[in-house]
Amino acid sequence: DSGVTQTPKHLITATGQRVTLRCSPRSGDLSVYWYQQSLDQGLQFLIQYYNGEERAKGNILERFSAQQFPDLHSELNLSSLELGDSALYFCASSATGLAGNTIYFGEGSWLTVV
Amino acid sequence: GQQLNQSPQSMFIQEGEDVSMNCTSSSIFNTWLWYKQDPGEGPVLLIALYKAGELTSNGRLTAQFGITRKDSFLNISASIPSDVGIYFCAANTNAGKSTFGDGTTLTVKP
Repeated sequence: DSGVTQTPKHLITATGQRVTLRCSPRSGDLSVYWYQQSLDQGLQFLIQYYNGEERAKGNILERFSAQQFPDLHSELNLSSLELGDSALYFCASSATGLAGNTIYFGEGSWLTVV
Repeated sequence: GQQLNQSPQSMFIQEGEDVSMNCTSSSIFNTWLWYKQDPGEGPVLLIALYKAGELTSNGRLTAQFGITRKDSFLNISASIPSDVGIYFCAANTNAGKSTFGDGTTLTVKP
């Protein structure tokens, strides 16, 4: 158990819909990361937050957005869903988000868009 | 952008054999990490490397941070069936952004 909690574990939704994925980081960790893993793309970094503020942005679509709240939990919002958005979405956390910090992953949220 | 080239893409080995996989890049990184992912689970950290030239072991696993800071390898000795999974390398920049390799899928035959 990494200490990173993600909900929901599985989600099935229709194209065009919007979903929210939730993440609670490890206790004491200030930085949260979101990743997308699909069969053909591997593990892709989406976005990173540190103490409520966006720190780094990766390959995140404009239809997707995220935020980190004052209690440090984070949400990833996916809107206007397409079939190709079906993937495993991981949240991860680290202590300060700097290069020397290890990143710990949650178990992921399986999203299926039908 | 920064890219990690991880090889091999897959390996089929016999139980008891040693395994070696590596990641290379044209970019310099400050941290190298190796993760293992079981089906349907999140990646689990195996080894973290923070200094060029560093050699670190974790049980039957050994990893090294390349002296040029552009590569790293992971060795698994005396493989067992539960070593099966996908192994990812990852590297961090100063800004904390992680880049992942495409993974090495390991199959161990009893």
